[in-house]
Order: sequence, then C-alpha cells, then structure tokens
Amino acid sequence: GQSLEQPSEVTAVEGAIVQINCTYQTSGFYGLSWYQQHDGGAPTFLSYNALDGLEETGRFSSFLSRSDSYGYLLLQELQMKDSASYFCVRTTDSWGKLQFGAGTQVVVTP
Amino acid sequence: EPEVTQTPSHQVTQMGQEVILRCVPISNHLYFYWYRQILGQKVEFLVSFYNNEISEKSEIFDDQFSVERPDGSNFTLKIRSTKLEDSAMYFCASRPGGTNLDTQYFGPGTRLTVL
Repeated sequence: GQSLEQPSEVTAVEGAIVQINCTYQTSGFYGLSWYQQHDGGAPTFLSYNALDGLEETGRFSSFLSRSDSYGYLLLQELQMKDSASYFCVRTTDSWGKLQFGAGTQVVVTP
Repeated sequence: EPEVTQTPSHQVTQMGQEVILRCVPISNHLYFYWYRQILGQKVEFLVSFYNNEISEKSEIFDDQFSVERPDGSNFTLKIRSTKLEDSAMYFCASRPGGTNLDTQYFGPGTRLTVL
C-alpha cells in the first residue's frame, strides 16, 4: 500500500477553511512536513511536526498525532493564490530523506 | 533571502547522451539532495549528500547516476546515458546542519526532456 495517503483534490471558495488529512506508515518516521507546489514550481516548505500537537504559521496550521499515524494541514481564510498542490511529506531518516505523498490539488473558487 | 539556484531551467537531450544538471545550494547549508518529479506524479527522492559523500540513495539512483560537489558552491547530478524515462523535473534541495530535520529549500528545478 501507499506510505502516505491524502485526498487527491479539494475545492473550496475564497475565505473558507480547508483541512487536508494525511495518514502514514510508521516505519522510519522522524516527522511530518507539508509542502506547497504551484504548477511547474518548486516545492515550498509550509510546516513541520516532529511531536504531537498543533503548529501554527499565519493562515496555515499543521497537526500531528503519532499514536494515530495521522496529521493534517489546515488552510484558513482561503485566497485565490492558495490554489496549488499540497504534499504531505514524511522524513524517513536522520539524513533528512523526504518521502512525498501524491499531493492534494486545492482549487479555490471565487 | 538566500535561495537555491539551478541551471539550466530546461535541458533537451537525445537518448544515450550524458547530461549534467547543476545546482548552487544555499551557502551555509551542509546537506544536499536531488529529487525528481515525472510530469503529473509525486516528488521522488534520488540521493542525499553530506560531507562530500553520498549518505543515502534510492533504487532509482542506479549506476547511471552520479553526484559531485566539485567546489565549495556547486552540486551536480550527472546522468551518463539518458533514457526516455529519465524525462522529468529534477529538483535540488539543501538544508542547514544540526539535528533539525524540518525545512528543505528547493531550487526551481531543471526540466529534462529526453528524445
């Protein structure tokens, strides 16, 4: 099965809140990150959780529950520029090797 | 703000040819990575590099691939004999030293097209 599971697409209107869930395999887990990628662009770091709990960075928050092998990214006050792919990413070793999920395409509509 | 740079932005080559993709990581970073993304698919890890040697490589990174840090700034990925399936976007990334495993800074990528 897949090492990281996340929904393939989410559509929401401007100003709304979107939550992207991610479940992962626990073998070789050092932390869970979220990266944003606009079409043709570089992945850009958004947030990282190594321990359980919520991390807040402006309009974006990320949550991790290691006991449930589960995390989520919360996007608040959605803006048109938030239309992008969002990747759930597992750090799998102490060298920092990243394993990406398949990505969630977020479409923000007026 | 410092950033990772990559050249060229787009490389077109014939099957069987050698290509070298170049990256300049952020200057005080110690860990370097190459990832690739085939069109429409997820980002895949290729190799990590630290202290002038490979620390880990994936199954994709076979003996046709090599990496080098020839001087204090450049970090290169060489594909000796390109195949059609090597067509992808190749991203270089770097991060500072220490035990903090969070942020990796990605370059803008090189789109490799093998004909």
